[in-house]
Amino acid sequence: AQSVSQHNHHVILSEAASLELGCNYSYGGTVNLFWYVQYPGQHLQLLLKYFSGDPLVKGIKGFEAEFIKSKFSFNLRKPSVQWSDTAEYFCAVNAGDMRFGAGTRLTVKP
Amino acid sequence: NAGVTQTPKFRVLKTGQSMTLLCAQDMNHEYMYWYRQDPGMGLRLIHYSVGEGTTAKGEVPDGYNVSRLKKQNFLLGLESAAPSQTSVYFCATRGGNYNEQFFGPGTRLTVL
Repeated sequence: AQSVSQHNHHVILSEAASLELGCNYSYGGTVNLFWYVQYPGQHLQLLLKYFSGDPLVKGIKGFEAEFIKSKFSFNLRKPSVQWSDTAEYFCAVNAGDMRFGAGTRLTVKP
Repeated sequence: NAGVTQTPKFRVLKTGQSMTLLCAQDMNHEYMYWYRQDPGMGLRLIHYSVGEGTTAKGEVPDGYNVSRLKKQNFLLGLESAAPSQTSVYFCATRGGNYNEQFFGPGTRLTVL
């Protein structure tokens, strides 16, 4: 069965630091890839998605992610985080069946 | 458009009690899902539906039942609640060009 691994459970950064959250999946076929964000007390919202084409996808709020097929990875990046980016981030893979990673909690200190 | 709504938002149950969580959507999506979210475990799929009148088991279906009598509604039932079912429950639909999921606001359930 496909699975999704997020390497970091909790990341703490200062404002303006760069961010990279890892995501790896274990499915060899065609996949759709997603990053969702959950702000404190809120529901999950789509941050960005990869379907096909350019492996570097840009999402909302300055986030981007790169699909590296050979590494089965879809890492999330942001050059300069803000306090308002404090949230939990979930990677998800859809290969007919949507699977979510365990999530990475990001805390940005002002 | 309301999108995906869930009722209730919060609930406290005693062990052995039953309840039903309601998910409603006005997006005309065929697929609907129920997840539970627990710390450190991400979202785990309980049951899902690919259309009106159909349901299927997900990753953690035990102790839950579902029904999809109308396309816009997906009900999650707990017949005899247990403390292990204390969680936050999210409903989602699937649609759009990229099969992305759209989530409801969640229901926080505590079973004492």
